[in-house]
Amino acid sequence: AQSVTQLDSHVSVSEGTPVLLRCNYSSSYSPSLFWYVQHPNKGLQLLLKYTSAATLVKGINGFEAEFKKSETSFHLTKPSAHMSDAAEYFCVVRGSGGYNKLIFGAGTRLAVHP
Amino acid sequence: SAVISQKPSRDICQRGTSLTIQCQVDSQVTMMFWYRQQPGQSLTLIATANQGSEATYESGFVIDKFPISRPNLTFSTLTVSNMSPEDSSIYLCSVLRGGTTGELFFGEGSRLTVL
Repeated sequence: AQSVTQLDSHVSVSEGTPVLLRCNYSSSYSPSLFWYVQHPNKGLQLLLKYTSAATLVKGINGFEAEFKKSETSFHLTKPSAHMSDAAEYFCVVRGSGGYNKLIFGAGTRLAVHP
Repeated sequence: SAVISQKPSRDICQRGTSLTIQCQVDSQVTMMFWYRQQPGQSLTLIATANQGSEATYESGFVIDKFPISRPNLTFSTLTVSNMSPEDSSIYLCSVLRGGTTGELFFGEGSRLTVL
């Protein structure tokens, strides 16, 4: 069965410093992986997705993630945090039950301080 | 992308009542889904809303509690029946675009508080 583990429930950074949100996955086959962001009182927005093409995936708002099969990881990074990046981030794997089975991680709340 | 409108955006309900949430999409989509996000939690898939047939429910969710309608390819409703405080959650409608390897787009959610 597929699953994702987000290793940090909360991450706090200063504005202008790098962001690292960690995600490990478990999958019996080559997975599709996603990062979604949820701003307060807003719906979810897709940041980026990996679907077995390039292992380094670039997304919106300067975020990127690298798929590392040997480490079963799909960490999200950004070189320089902005105040507007403060939100909840979800790592997601597409499950084996079909294309509709998106399995969400528990989420990481990112706080950005001035 | 997809424009997904949900109504109501939030509501406060009394125990024992039922509430219907509407989801309207700006264009026809094959796959529509309903998710629940309990306070401080991640998202859990409730069911797939099938056009012209009964919804497909995930383990732990039943039709009597969460009846779903899908009368056409742009609209769906989710009803939360006989509510209790444990049903206080954000309910999100989502659609799949881009085929089987596509991505899910989400509405802004309906935040329900049950007293």
